[in-house]
Amino acid sequence: SQQGEEDPQALSIQEGENATMNCSYKTSINNLQWYRQNSGRGLVHLILIRSNEREKHSGRLRVTLDTSKKSSSLLITASRAADTASYFCATALRGANSKLTFGKGITLSVRP
Amino acid sequence: GAVVSQHPSRVICKSGTSVKIECRSLDFQATTMFWYRQFPKQSLMLMATSNEGSKATYEQGVEKDKFLINHASLTLSTLTVTSAHPEDSSFYICSARLTGGSLSNQPQHFGDGTRLSIL
Repeated sequence: SQQGEEDPQALSIQEGENATMNCSYKTSINNLQWYRQNSGRGLVHLILIRSNEREKHSGRLRVTLDTSKKSSSLLITASRAADTASYFCATALRGANSKLTFGKGITLSVRP
Repeated sequence: GAVVSQHPSRVICKSGTSVKIECRSLDFQATTMFWYRQFPKQSLMLMATSNEGSKATYEQGVEKDKFLINHASLTLSTLTVTSAHPEDSSFYICSARLTGGSLSNQPQHFGDGTRLSIL
């Protein structure tokens, strides 16, 4: 079964508002990553948070990780229409050949 | 930096045709590349892990004779869908991870995907 499960599945907000997306996972991880996918395109890496980190920032993005609850959140502040995309969390286990396991994704629509 | 180029972006062909998709890391070396398949409005499903100079590791349920993977250099991996049929129609995406460092803490860099349509 999928390691990561995001919620909500779809989110529609007004430009300028903040968007919060959540991800839960089942097993111990080495790190958790968030990716963005524009329609019909590949994925773009947004941020990686290691298991020993609790919060990380990158521009308008803020990611938290709670390993006790096996959950993560992605906050996009002051959203823009260009943030409209699908967002995926992915978990990585330890090891040189570690692969990513992706969640089902969240569709974010930012209305101008 | 860390650009991955995937080619072609779109293929439409007849049933029974074999289709080759290329994945290149343009400005970095990638010992490991990954091939995914994505159905409409669904998540990415890992098909196989491609290791330079060795055989690919396929995920359970993926036919290795159907989806041939070759990773002959540190910058190129190819996926060949042999004798493609309509059920093989999908969006195929590759990714590459930088070589060196703490590999499990490296993000993956994705190509733009290949839309494969088999008539």
